[in-house]
Amino acid sequence: ETGVTQTPRHLVMGMTNKKSLKCEQHLGHNAMYWYKQSAKKPLELMFVYSLEERVENNSVPSRFSPECPNSSHLFLHLHTLQPEDSALYLCASSPILYRGANEQFFGPGTRLTVL
Amino acid sequence: RKEVEQDPGPFNVPEGATVAFNCTYSNSASQSFFWYRQDCRKEPKLLMSVYSSGNEDGRFTAQLNRASQYISLLIRDSKLSDSATYLCAARRDMRFGAGTRLTVKP
Repeated sequence: ETGVTQTPRHLVMGMTNKKSLKCEQHLGHNAMYWYKQSAKKPLELMFVYSLEERVENNSVPSRFSPECPNSSHLFLHLHTLQPEDSALYLCASSPILYRGANEQFFGPGTRLTVL
Repeated sequence: RKEVEQDPGPFNVPEGATVAFNCTYSNSASQSFFWYRQDCRKEPKLLMSVYSSGNEDGRFTAQLNRASQYISLLIRDSKLSDSATYLCAARRDMRFGAGTRLTVKP
């Protein structure tokens, strides 16, 4: 399935590196999301965008910086990360934000390891 | 109280068994709920939506109890391929539970 794609699929970076995660959705959706999934923890909602506008930022450290240039693309810029930031980062999209019958479709995720 | 809570399991059941998971939510304003299935090292994939009292799709039945603020997922005639982690989500908050791990054994 190629509805939501993410690159890279795996990333290893040092604490002083700067990298970016990319997400692209081909579903014509208007809302996009970043989630963090750590082992044995719930999916943590990080950022929400609706029509390229950020509508939610859940107390995420500033070392994570999202960017949504258009409704099909979402980036997560990373800099000076910590080892505890190692996790699976999932991008999702949904047709419209805050509407009931509005399931999210997930990308395959980027597995990030911070050394 | 966590916004969405699930019994983490694991649930280990034999093939053909019936198994049920519960998920409680704290935001009474939540209107729609979803069950996702997540295989090891893969992304969550939508299994079922729950908007009113319940929904049924083959061997899977999801029910919503608004008074007690929980949703349930019932799997009948379990297959080996049902082994996965099942996540519930409250759509209003876009929050997920931690997931319930199910292993179906021969």
